[in-house]
Amino acid sequence: DTEVTQTPKHLVMGMTNKKSLKCEQHMGHRAMYWYKQKAKKPPELMFVYSYEKLSINESVPSRFSPECPNSSLLNLHLHALQPEDSALYLCASSQATGANYGYTFGSGTRLTVV
Amino acid sequence: KNEVEQSPQNLTAQEGEFITINCSYSVGISALHWLQQHPGGGIVSLFMLSSGKKKHGRLIATINIQEKHSSLHITASHPRDSAVYICAVRRTSYDKVIFGPGTSLSVIP
Repeated sequence: DTEVTQTPKHLVMGMTNKKSLKCEQHMGHRAMYWYKQKAKKPPELMFVYSYEKLSINESVPSRFSPECPNSSLLNLHLHALQPEDSALYLCASSQATGANYGYTFGSGTRLTVV
Repeated sequence: KNEVEQSPQNLTAQEGEFITINCSYSVGISALHWLQQHPGGGIVSLFMLSSGKKKHGRLIATINIQEKHSSLHITASHPRDSAVYICAVRRTSYDKVIFGPGTSLSVIP
């Protein structure tokens, strides 16, 4: 298995809802990442997990809450989002956080906040 | 000035043409990625380079570390190559990938 699987592919949620995005990989990668991408813009890093511990938080608002319950799974819990949070959320993984490792990206979850 | 720049920003080509997309960067890097993103879709990693040249099918990627420049070439372009191509660099001093602004390629039959 050489893929990063993200679910759901599309999500529409209200500003008072609580929802979660899921990312899964079975490549034995120990680094996992969340990126946010607005239309026609490059992805922006949100969080980095290394060996199931949060290593980088790029000053993301607390309405986004990441969780890494095991080495294969990365969640992003969403609560009280704003319409401007609508974007494509991409998950990626790499063998480790060292500089010589390439990334594998998931197909993303397209989130719409209404 | 952005740390990673790409040219051209937009490119339209006729099917069969040879295409070159350029990437230049201003920071020290350990690796450079070329990525492909179709409209509304996720990202596919095409190449990771730290030196020299790599080839995969009709795609060729080169990097010149001294000049801080990389190119992505597509030979015998096809409409299915239409996508946004993104150059991304992995900095030596920080585990963060910096993405270029992307080059939007449209190949016309």
